Amino acid sequence: NAGVTQTPKFRILKIGQSMTLQCAQDMNHNYMYWYRQDPGMGLKLIYYSVGAGITDKGEVPNGYNVSRSTTEDFPLRLELAAPSQTSVYFCASRGQGWTEAFFGQGTRLTVV
Amino acid sequence: AQSVTQPDIHITVSEGASLELRCNYSYGATPYLFWYVQSPGQGLQLLLKYFSGDTLVQGIKGFEAEFKRSQSSFNLRKPSVHWSDAAEYFCAVALYNNNDMRFGAGTRLTVKP
Repeated sequence: NAGVTQTPKFRILKIGQSMTLQCAQDMNHNYMYWYRQDPGMGLKLIYYSVGAGITDKGEVPNGYNVSRSTTEDFPLRLELAAPSQTSVYFCASRGQGWTEAFFGQGTRLTVV
Repeated sequence: AQSVTQPDIHITVSEGASLELRCNYSYGATPYLFWYVQSPGQGLQLLLKYFSGDTLVQGIKGFEAEFKRSQSSFNLRKPSVHWSDAAEYFCAVALYNNNDMRFGAGTRLTVKP
């Protein structure tokens, strides 16, 4: 049981480039989340999804897009990378009811 | 405004000493409360959670936390810290009628030999 899998683990982007951070879970969870973690700031919620086809903005959605075409996958898209998007990105998922959320290992993104 | 506050950015304790990490929240209703631990370069692992009932909850790795409604707090404790407890600790909250989970800024724990 792999849990939550994020790819890639590391990436360096140039300003203005685009990329997609992948997130997949194999626990049949309806709820999925994207967070970014900056030093001293904790985790900030970017987007979340309550099921296939349904997404909603979190605290810091600007500069990002998401889609949820299947229960398993929740990719995060950066269209025009900016240095301010340098961060560690975490994907998480949870089942019905407020049980624990399971986190991926993170993607460390640097925009130069 | 809704918020989660961890007042201590960094705490250093000696191995074998007791530990308390503070967490305060500001929400209209009592939220669901969580403590997560993050080791360097790793994802987050759940230590314990509080939904209702007994206000003292036990978690993994010998940690416990106490919910105090009057103080809007959910402090994490451990009677005797081990070197392997050095990590970053996050308090998180969620509301029953909401779908997201919000995190505090984290407390970094250093353990001295």
